[in-house]
Amino acid sequence: ETGVTQSPTHLIKTRGQQVTLRCSSQSGHNTVSWYQQALGQGPQFIFQYYREEENGRGNFPPRFSGLQFPNYSSELNVNALELDDSALYLCASSSGNQMNTEAFFGQGTRLTVV
Amino acid sequence: SQQGEEDPQALSIQEGENATMNCSYKTSINNLQWYRQNSGRGLVHLILIRSNEREKHSGRLRVTLDTSKKSSSLLITASRAADTASYFCATVFYGNNRLAFGKGNQVVVIP
Repeated sequence: ETGVTQSPTHLIKTRGQQVTLRCSSQSGHNTVSWYQQALGQGPQFIFQYYREEENGRGNFPPRFSGLQFPNYSSELNVNALELDDSALYLCASSSGNQMNTEAFFGQGTRLTVV
Repeated sequence: SQQGEEDPQALSIQEGENATMNCSYKTSINNLQWYRQNSGRGLVHLILIRSNEREKHSGRLRVTLDTSKKSSSLLITASRAADTASYFCATVFYGNNRLAFGKGNQVVVIP
């Protein structure tokens, strides 16, 4: 049990819709990173939020956006959903803006776009 | 690719045997981390090894790092059925704030 919770656990959306995924960070952590994991692949970095500011972004289009709140929880928003967005979305909670310590992952949100 | 690449990608062993997985990367790293994932759920951190370290242990796990060969290995000794999972190495490059994951090793431990 990492103390990082994600909601919802499963979600089915239609192509073109918008989705918001949520993540609570572990107590004492000020950084949340989001990853997309397609079936059979390793997680791919989407972006990181550190102290409520975006702190680095992977190779994802602008329709992937996020927020971090004063309590360091975070949201991932995806607009204009495409079939290829179907994946497991993972958030990772950590301390500091460099990955110098272990990250604690939530159980993920399984998004299916039909 | 700057991501770690694991080898072998699938491993099937008998309970009690040792399992070894390797990870290679292409660019100098700050640290390298190993994670375990059960049945497509969240990742669990196993070990972090820094670029100035050569070996770390945690219970039945042993990780080595050879920066001259840009490779790392994860050894699980006396494997158990509960070790059945996917194992990922993830590299962190200097001045970078992200984990770059490989495709993972699927390990099946047969009781």
